[in-house]
Amino acid sequence: AQSVTQLGSHVSVSEGALVLLRCNYSSSVPPYLFWYVQYPNQGLQLLLKYTSAATLVKGINGFEAEFKKSETSFHLTKPSAHMSDAAEYFCAVSGAEYGNKLVFGAGTILRVKS
Amino acid sequence: ETGVTQSPTHLIKTRGQQVTLRCSSQSGHNTVSWYQQALGQGPQFIFQYYREEENGRGNFPPRFSGLQFPNYSSELNVNALELDDSALYLCASSSGLTRAQEAFFGQGTRLTVV
Repeated sequence: AQSVTQLGSHVSVSEGALVLLRCNYSSSVPPYLFWYVQYPNQGLQLLLKYTSAATLVKGINGFEAEFKKSETSFHLTKPSAHMSDAAEYFCAVSGAEYGNKLVFGAGTILRVKS
Repeated sequence: ETGVTQSPTHLIKTRGQQVTLRCSSQSGHNTVSWYQQALGQGPQFIFQYYREEENGRGNFPPRFSGLQFPNYSSELNVNALELDDSALYLCASSSGLTRAQEAFFGQGTRLTVV
């Protein structure tokens, strides 16, 4: 079974609109959850992480994500999209079930229209 | 504070050849993980090194091997290259094995096998 599922390989929003990138995980115990961003021809940059503290996690660049155990979800949001947000976003999970590694989703490419 | 650096940035090899990729971990980090990111996919875990010992391996054949040196830098070696080995190879360093630790990624090495 897929450990991390990102719904929508491509998401397009207008500049100033809400950004919502979806991530669902499969785990019998609450894992650690991460969102990374990747700009073209670059490595991965951590946006935010959930480590069983507050369920609403605030990250860099105005992004935040909410851990919902009942829905096994960790969706990424930003109230107002900026052109510089155009990139690929990866949800990842780690924890006891996954050993000492990150397990990534397939990624969602965010396009921001002017 | 020096970040994670990888070399070379790009590489073209012929099928059947061998390749060595290098990674310098961030200052103070003793754990290095390697990931393979094929085009259009999320990164896949290859293996991890902690204090010069392999500490976990993903579903990759033995022709993928690695080393970690006393200064915690690392190498990824791939023998008998196949066309499917063409990918972005990412190195990530972290301070210890705690799963919630933030992993810092390098820019990656783009390997093309022809």
